[in-house]
Parts: sequence; structure tokens; C-alpha cells
Amino acid sequence: DTGVSQDPRHKITKRGQNVTFRCDPISEHNRLYWYRQTLGQGPEFLTYFQNEAQLEKSRLLSDRFSAERPKGSFSTLEIQRTEQGDSAMYLCASSPRHYEQYFGPGTRLTVT
Amino acid sequence: QKEVEQDPGPLSVPEGAIVSLNCTYSNSAFQYFMWYRQYSRKGPELLMYTYSSGNKEDGRFTAQVDKSSKYISLFIRDSQPSDSATYLCAMSAGAGGTSYGKLTFGQGTILTVHP
Repeated sequence: DTGVSQDPRHKITKRGQNVTFRCDPISEHNRLYWYRQTLGQGPEFLTYFQNEAQLEKSRLLSDRFSAERPKGSFSTLEIQRTEQGDSAMYLCASSPRHYEQYFGPGTRLTVT
Repeated sequence: QKEVEQDPGPLSVPEGAIVSLNCTYSNSAFQYFMWYRQYSRKGPELLMYTYSSGNKEDGRFTAQVDKSSKYISLFIRDSQPSDSATYLCAMSAGAGGTSYGKLTFGQGTILTVHP
């Protein structure tokens, strides 16, 4: 399967713990995006990379969130000191053009 | 007010019906318009994208964009039970726009096609 992959698929953590998610994009895509989706809502943009450069960050991305894309390949999203409000599906997408984004299966985070 | 409004439904139709899904938006910078399908607990799947106003057809799916009214539609002909999913509209600005590089989504419409 040459689509976008995300790991882990599910994560349950206690409030206050740190978590890290990984995204592996489609190999020839240089753009990579992170979104967050809560139940009954559409995905909300978090941040965007072109190659290894982080070009845009949403106001939703508080200081507890950090994303990296070393070497312009896979990306990681880290949430420090998790809160119950962080419970959501975290989606990664990659694209050859900004409007043609292909999503991975998501990482479902539950903070207890 | 949200930038993109989409009726969440739910929408229930019999197999074979024509389905109409719609979104309105307020940001005149949007120039690219996408429709995604999302099955439960899965990531969104890109169905179609269009640029500016006009129609685009792909099999049983037709996307329409009316920029003058800030209104987009997705029509599904001969709907099948396998079309049952949540349908999300998404939009993006063109190069130089403030939201270039990100998609702004509607809330999603839950569609059920019953046999």
C-alpha cells in the first residue's frame, strides 16, 4: 500500500503525559499537513510542511504542540502535558499540490 | 459564523435516488473546492476537486461550483448502499491567499442509502 500511513492508530494516555504520533506521506509528495477532527466535525487545520520547512501553523496549535519533518520525509506531532480536550482524531495528509490532499487513516487519541 | 457551512443531515435516501449535498462559504478568496468521503473511523478520501466556478463530472458524481453565490454542490446519481458515509466539502485559497496551503472543511453531511 503506497498511501499515507500513520502510527499508532489508537493511543490512550493519562492527562499530563506526552504523546508522539508519526506520519509517513506518499513518497513523491513534498507537502505534508496535520489536521485534528473531533466527533461530528470536519477536520481542522493544524500545520503544514513543504519539504522540511514548516510554513504555516494554526492558532489551534498551542505551545504544547510541536511538529517536525526532518529531512522532508516522515513527520511527527508531539503533544506535551496532554489535556482531556486534546482527545480527537489526528489526521495527516500529503499532497503534490495544495488542493489535492490525501489523508491517512488517522490516530485516535483518548486522554483519560 | 463559520467560513464553511454544511448541513449535517442526517440524510436518508433509497437506493437509486439522486443525492444532492451542498455547502456555502463566506471567504471570497476560496478558489479550489473539494469533496471528501469519510467512512466511520477512517480518514477522509478525496472524491473530486474543482477550480473556480463550473461543473465537473466523474462517473456517478458531479461537482458544481457557483462562486457568485458562494455555493457548491455534489450530486450522486444512482446512489448505492456503499455510498453511505459522511461527505465533507473542503476549500482552499489560491496562491497568495491567506489560507493557501490549508483546507477549510465543512461539518460533514451523514448520508445513508438504504436498499
